[in-house]
Amino acid sequence: EPEVTQTPSHQVTQMGQEVILRCVPISNHLYFYWYRQILGQKVEFLVSFYNNEISEKSEIFDDQFSVERPDGSNFTLKIRSTKLEDSAMYFCASSIKPPGTGANVLTFGAGSRLTVL
Amino acid sequence: AQSVTQLDSHVSVSEGTPVLLRCNYSSSYSPSLFWYVQHPNKGLQLLLKYTSAATLVKGINGFEAEFKKSETSFHLTKPSAHMSDAAEYFCVVSDSSGGYNKLIFGAGTRLAVHP
Repeated sequence: EPEVTQTPSHQVTQMGQEVILRCVPISNHLYFYWYRQILGQKVEFLVSFYNNEISEKSEIFDDQFSVERPDGSNFTLKIRSTKLEDSAMYFCASSIKPPGTGANVLTFGAGSRLTVL
Repeated sequence: AQSVTQLDSHVSVSEGTPVLLRCNYSSSYSPSLFWYVQHPNKGLQLLLKYTSAATLVKGINGFEAEFKKSETSFHLTKPSAHMSDAAEYFCVVSDSSGGYNKLIFGAGTRLAVHP
């Protein structure tokens, strides 16, 4: 069964450092997403991406965050200057259907745990 | 705004006994609802989905859920728990209010299964 793969599985970084989390979505999927889960809190939507541009983003997704699909296979989330509160599990997801078309089923990766010290 | 409330943060059952994980939703229109499961060190896996077709939805691994509009509920059940069912379960509603939909997650219910 096709999978969404994420790397690294765990990253520890110092506050203020840049972090890039990588994702390889399912190959025929066209819509890509990042969610995150701070320890003890709900899974939260960050951003959705289609046709090489952001289609929707949440209030969390401020100027410190960016996404891109540099080579047609990877989908990356960059945090420019990490803060302690960025410590969380970050989930990448992809879907084949457009958002808003009824049952838009997302396939999630296993997550990347980011720890900011 | 869409939201989901999972009524139990932890549920513990014995192997072979029924499982009930409760979820209530809030939606201004007919929602799409999902249950996802997360096993340790694994991704969020779709168990089942409701999309305004049959109100009783069957999913993988023997799970099912019933959409009850009058009660705004979408509880997840399984007749007989297996040790491998131990995981975290998320009730999720799809929010299409912004034109593009995003998933709104409940807080999760951790299911423990004892021998």
